[in-house]
Amino acid sequence: GNSVTQMEGPVTLSEEAFLTINCTYTATGYPSLFWYVQYPGEGLQLLLKATKADDKGSNKGFEATYRKETTSFHLEKGSVQVSDSAVYFCALSGYSSGGYNKLIFGAGTRLAVHP
Amino acid sequence: GAVVSQHPSRVICKSGTSVKIECRSLDFQATTMFWYRQFPKKSLMLMATSNEGSKATYEQGVEKDKFLINHASLTLSTLTVTSAHPEDSSFYICSASSADNQPQHFGDGTRLSIL
Repeated sequence: GNSVTQMEGPVTLSEEAFLTINCTYTATGYPSLFWYVQYPGEGLQLLLKATKADDKGSNKGFEATYRKETTSFHLEKGSVQVSDSAVYFCALSGYSSGGYNKLIFGAGTRLAVHP
Repeated sequence: GAVVSQHPSRVICKSGTSVKIECRSLDFQATTMFWYRQFPKKSLMLMATSNEGSKATYEQGVEKDKFLINHASLTLSTLTVTSAHPEDSSFYICSASSADNQPQHFGDGTRLSIL
């Protein structure tokens, strides 16, 4: 079945450091890929997405490229800020028991950025 | 745009009580709503998917008599945890989508604590 694997956290960085959070997936067909961010005590916010191979999603300085050949969708940011501290979830689109389009999430990676 | 409001944000109650959580789409019509459960430092687990006016479709292993879902209108879905026990304590998150191929927008979650 479809699944998402993320690098384990926590990831601890100093402000202005380069960030990479690895994400690989297993899927049949051609799913859309997503990165969501969850700040403490809140729900999830869509950070970026890509719907087909070689697409690059980007938002707020974050970016990720849909790589079909390596089945990856790694999240990167050139210079992180303290306010980027959160949990990041990689996800792909799949189908629920009822046939509805659903999201399949990775385990999440906690990022802590220190001044 | 695309705001989803979830209420209450936190609830603490005694074992045996039934608890209702509301999920509202404020500025769009949500034909499909999703209910997730998130354990501490874990990913989101899809519990069920509901379409307005139809019975919810539950994922494997989720007790439908325990977690009652009602999607009575295009802007409101409710999850009722019946006869809640301490093992039901968790963070519950809803999401809503205007169509099957449209992005899901998440609420801020409800932290349920059963004493």
